[in-house]
Amino acid sequence: AQSVTQLDSHVSVSEGTPVLLRCNYSSSYSPSLFWYVQHPNKGLQLLLKYTSAATLVKGINGFEAEFKKSETSFHLTKPSAHMSDAAEYFCVVSGSGNYGQNFVFGPGTRLSVLP
Amino acid sequence: DTGVSQDPRHKITKRGQNVTFRCDPISEHNRLYWYRQTLGQGPEFLTYFQNEAQLEKSRLLSDRFSAERPKGSFSTLEIQRTEQGDSAMYLCASSLRPSGRFSLNEQFFGPGTRLTVL
Repeated sequence: AQSVTQLDSHVSVSEGTPVLLRCNYSSSYSPSLFWYVQHPNKGLQLLLKYTSAATLVKGINGFEAEFKKSETSFHLTKPSAHMSDAAEYFCVVSGSGNYGQNFVFGPGTRLSVLP
Repeated sequence: DTGVSQDPRHKITKRGQNVTFRCDPISEHNRLYWYRQTLGQGPEFLTYFQNEAQLEKSRLLSDRFSAERPKGSFSTLEIQRTEQGDSAMYLCASSLRPSGRFSLNEQFFGPGTRLTVL
């Protein structure tokens, strides 16, 4: 079965400093991996996805993530945090249902950005 | 707006009552998913449809829960004899059918229906 671990439930950074949100996954086959963001009272929005092409994936709003198979990791980074980045972030792996066709979400990491 | 829509956005009900939620996916998407999200947790998969066929159900989906997608377009999720533990945000998402067995396309999420069971 697929699973996702997000190592930090809460990360706090100052505006203009780098962001690192950690994600480790478990999968019995080559997975699809995603990062979604959820702002308060808004729907989930895709930041980026990995589907076995380039291991370094660029997403929206300056975010990127690197797939490392040897470490089973898919950490999310951004060089410089902005106040608008404050939100909940979810790492997602493709699931292992009958057809391997559902998403398994991590527990989420809440990002706070301090002025 | 051509995104995923859900109705109602909020529902307050008394324990033991039945509730029904509706999801309208993006029109060209043949996959439709239902998730449940409780406070402080990530969404948990409930079930999904490909066109009108319900292809998978999670063990979270007890006998009190039923989902339909009768014409392969909108979907409904019904909860019978609601319990306080059913209080959560119910999310709907849609996507295109993936090209490979183990590769998934992006899922587009609706705003959710927040259910409160008193």
